[in-house]
Amino acid sequence: GQQLNQSPQSMFIQEGEDVSMNCTSSSIFNTWLWYKQDPGEGPVLLIALYKAGELTSNGRLTAQFGITRKDSFLNISASIPSDVGIYFCAGQLSGGTASKLTFGTGTRLQVTL
Amino acid sequence: GAVVSQHPSRVICKSGTSVKIECRSLDFQATTMFWYRQFPKKSLMLMATSNEGSKATYEQGVEKDKFLINHASLTLSTLTVTSAHPEDSSFYICSARGTGTGTDTQYFGPGTRLTVL
Repeated sequence: GQQLNQSPQSMFIQEGEDVSMNCTSSSIFNTWLWYKQDPGEGPVLLIALYKAGELTSNGRLTAQFGITRKDSFLNISASIPSDVGIYFCAGQLSGGTASKLTFGTGTRLQVTL
Repeated sequence: GAVVSQHPSRVICKSGTSVKIECRSLDFQATTMFWYRQFPKKSLMLMATSNEGSKATYEQGVEKDKFLINHASLTLSTLTVTSAHPEDSSFYICSARGTGTGTDTQYFGPGTRLTVL
């Protein structure tokens, strides 16, 4: 099935640094979602974006829904060790069978002290 | 709110046996449940979508006779891997969407790691 492209694939950063990752698609979505997955766990929803151009924050996290509806980015400010994990974007078309999610390839974040 | 559980969290079985995985929505009614499969260091791939009381819709390439899905109630869906083989070993994750959680928001379970010997 289709997957969204995320970059970077992985990153090592130092505690306290800001992090930026993005997600691109060849097709448009009505909703963009960002999830974090810890090892051996299911994804946890971080931020949901419902409108093109929307900028939404959740604590140290900020995400934007691209104007073209084909991309989104996630920023994490002042990273801490518990930010370690895999971050997935997901695109969704609303309504009926189109409500299924299409996931990105993931960005693996590792934070060093 | 919006908690989804899975049972078991880990299962090891012999090749040729069948394994059933349960997915429950604990504090909401799940009109739709989704089953995903995730290989190590890979993304989640949707296997099938099930609506309560009707047959599941499988994604292309997923064998419906091998991965049996039942969504008999608004709080429970089951995935049965029939005649399991080593290549079925994977991390299986369900998600649920329904009334009271927001229109289209999916909430994920903690996953079940299946190892077929």
